[in-house]
Amino acid sequence: NAGVMQNPRHLVRRRGQEARLRCSPMKGHSHVYWYRQLPEEGLKFMVYLQKENIIDESGMPKERFSAEFPKEGPSILRIQQVVRGDSAAYFCASSPPTKSYEQYFGPGTRLTVT
Amino acid sequence: AQRVTQPEKLLSVFKGAPVELKCNYSYSGSPELFWYVQYSRQRLQLLLRHISRESIKGFTADLNKGETSFHLKKPFAQEEDSAMYYCALSGGNFNKFYFGSGTKLNVKP
Repeated sequence: NAGVMQNPRHLVRRRGQEARLRCSPMKGHSHVYWYRQLPEEGLKFMVYLQKENIIDESGMPKERFSAEFPKEGPSILRIQQVVRGDSAAYFCASSPPTKSYEQYFGPGTRLTVT
Repeated sequence: AQRVTQPEKLLSVFKGAPVELKCNYSYSGSPELFWYVQYSRQRLQLLLRHISRESIKGFTADLNKGETSFHLKKPFAQEEDSAMYYCALSGGNFNKFYFGSGTKLNVKP
């Protein structure tokens, strides 16, 4: 099992462009969490998804951010019209359906907005 | 408001010394508490969960609801314990997790 995969590992976008971050959960895991980490801060919860469903998106900014976890393929975190303040490390974690407390983290995607 | 506080950004101890990483929380319901660890150049990984009451790599943590604390302890620190440690909290449905800002533990030889 390769573990949780995230790509790209580094992403540079100009202000106003779109950023798409991908997360492939571990095999057999149907739950995905997205987190954002600013420098010197802890992980901030953004959204929790199960296959084809958003369960809790209370940590997502109301505008420009969206997430999906389709039946097939990776989970996608999409940031439209990026601004400098979106620069951060974005982590995803997956968990098995019977142990949703047991999160396995990906290596993160570092987004830099210039 | 739900919050996890780790008051120490950096904790340095000598090998063989006891170590305690502090974690305090604020939560309106019945919390589930966790400690996560990130070793250098590795991913964040679960270290222990309060409800399991296990000792992992010599570390233990007791949930003190009266003091709303979940401090991580080890009686004799080893150099390989040097890492970032994060305290985390969730409700019983695990829909959402709150992380502290982390404590960097440095165990000196």
